[in-house]
Amino acid sequence: GEEVAQTPKHLVRGEGQKAKLYCAPIKGHSYVFWYQQVLKNEFKFLISFQNENVFDETGMPKERFSAKCLPNSPCSLEIQATKLEDSAVYFCASLRARGLTEAFFGQGTRLTVV
Amino acid sequence: AQSVSQHNHHVILSEAASLELGCNYSYGGTVNLFWYVQYPGQHLQLLLKYFSGDPLVKGIKGFEAEFIKSKFSFNLRKPSVQWSDTAEYFCAVNANTGFQKLVFGTGTRLLVSP
Repeated sequence: GEEVAQTPKHLVRGEGQKAKLYCAPIKGHSYVFWYQQVLKNEFKFLISFQNENVFDETGMPKERFSAKCLPNSPCSLEIQATKLEDSAVYFCASLRARGLTEAFFGQGTRLTVV
Repeated sequence: AQSVSQHNHHVILSEAASLELGCNYSYGGTVNLFWYVQYPGQHLQLLLKYFSGDPLVKGIKGFEAEFIKSKFSFNLRKPSVQWSDTAEYFCAVNANTGFQKLVFGTGTRLLVSP
C-alpha cells in the first residue's frame, strides 16, 4: 500500500496483560522503525528492521518488549506484562532504503494501560 | 550521540503573524534534517527535509527552513501563519550513514488564534 498501516488505533490493557501492535510498511520499503511517544511529545526510538532482520535494537527495553518482521506478514511489537508507564502512542515508520530518504509514519496505536 | 534541541516549547501567534521555530542539533558528522508536523490526534507528516545542496529548503504549506552548518541549526519559518497551522512541530535528524534512526526534538506546540 501507499501508506504505513498500523492496527489497532486504540488498545486498552490491564496491568500485567499482553499488548500486541501491528504495522504494515509501505510496499517496497525495506526498513521499519518503531517509536514510542509519551506525553504527546518525546519520541523514543525502540527498534528497527531491515526486511525481517533486526537492524538496530538499541532503544528496545531489555525486558517485556519484543518485535518481529516476518515475510508476508505485518511487523509486530509485543509488550508482555504491560505496566502503567507503557501507556503511550506507538508509531511505526517505514523507509524505502538507507541514505537520502525520509521516513513515512503510520497513524499510531494509542496504548492505554489501566 | 545525536541530540536535538527545540527552544520554544509553546508559541502563540495571531493569524498572519510570522513564525520562526528554532532547532539546534548536536552531531559531529553529516546529518539529514527534517521538520515534521503533528496535527491534533494525527500522525507525523513531513513538512520539509534537507539532505544536501541549497541550505534554504522549501516545504509544503508555505514553510521553509534554513540549514546553517556553522550554527548546527535548522530553523523553521513561515511568513504568515494560518489558524490551520495549529499543531505540534518536531525537528529531527538522522546520521547520513549508519542506522538511520531519527532523533527528535521535544517539539513546539503552536497555537494560532484567528
